Amino acid sequence: DVKVTQSSRYLVKRTGEKVFLECVQDMDHENMFWYRQDPGLGLRLIYFSYDVKMKEKGDIPEGYSVSREKKERFSLILESASTNQTSMYLCASTPGTGVNTEAFFGQGTRLTVV
Amino acid sequence: AQKITQTQPGMFVQEKEAVTLDCTYDTSDPSYGLFWYKQPSSGEMIFLIYQGSYDQQNATEGRYSLNFQKARKSANLVISASQLGDSAMYFCAMRETQGAQKLVFGQGTRLTINP
Repeated sequence: DVKVTQSSRYLVKRTGEKVFLECVQDMDHENMFWYRQDPGLGLRLIYFSYDVKMKEKGDIPEGYSVSREKKERFSLILESASTNQTSMYLCASTPGTGVNTEAFFGQGTRLTVV
Repeated sequence: AQKITQTQPGMFVQEKEAVTLDCTYDTSDPSYGLFWYKQPSSGEMIFLIYQGSYDQQNATEGRYSLNFQKARKSANLVISASQLGDSAMYFCAMRETQGAQKLVFGQGTRLTINP
């Protein structure tokens, strides 16, 4: 069974902390994505990666960075967490070729910054 | 720029009725794919249906069909004979073939099926 796994389901962090959200996929997918989901705003793309060590900014990259040292792992980093980063974070992956293949999602991480 | 718009924040329908969820998109890439996902209260994202920009026929998957109108840049999801279990958030998404094949989503529509 194919899987995208996010390291935590729920996370509570303090303002100013450095936060790491981890995502691992076992499908040998080239593309990986990080989204945040907020009511009324849908899924907004933070960053995506189309290959190891390759990344591109999405629509809302401010306050975030990413790391992809290995093909199967894509990490989202909040350099200095703030309360406005309290949200649901979703990781997804797709193969590198073929626009017709659906994305596979992790279970989501609900992050609360206090 | 690649963009997806869902203009219905919420929809309420009676069980067994058909429902149409709206989705419009904008892209300059002639080759792209359109997707619909369902997100129940459990939070998982469930893939429902796919439509390619060059597909001649509208996609169908069981009770789901996609009303694809390319000239109008719309890709509405039609659910026939709605069931209580269809109550969920529904997201429209698009993936272009140009560049890094970024996948973008709309704002979502919360569908509630009433008994």
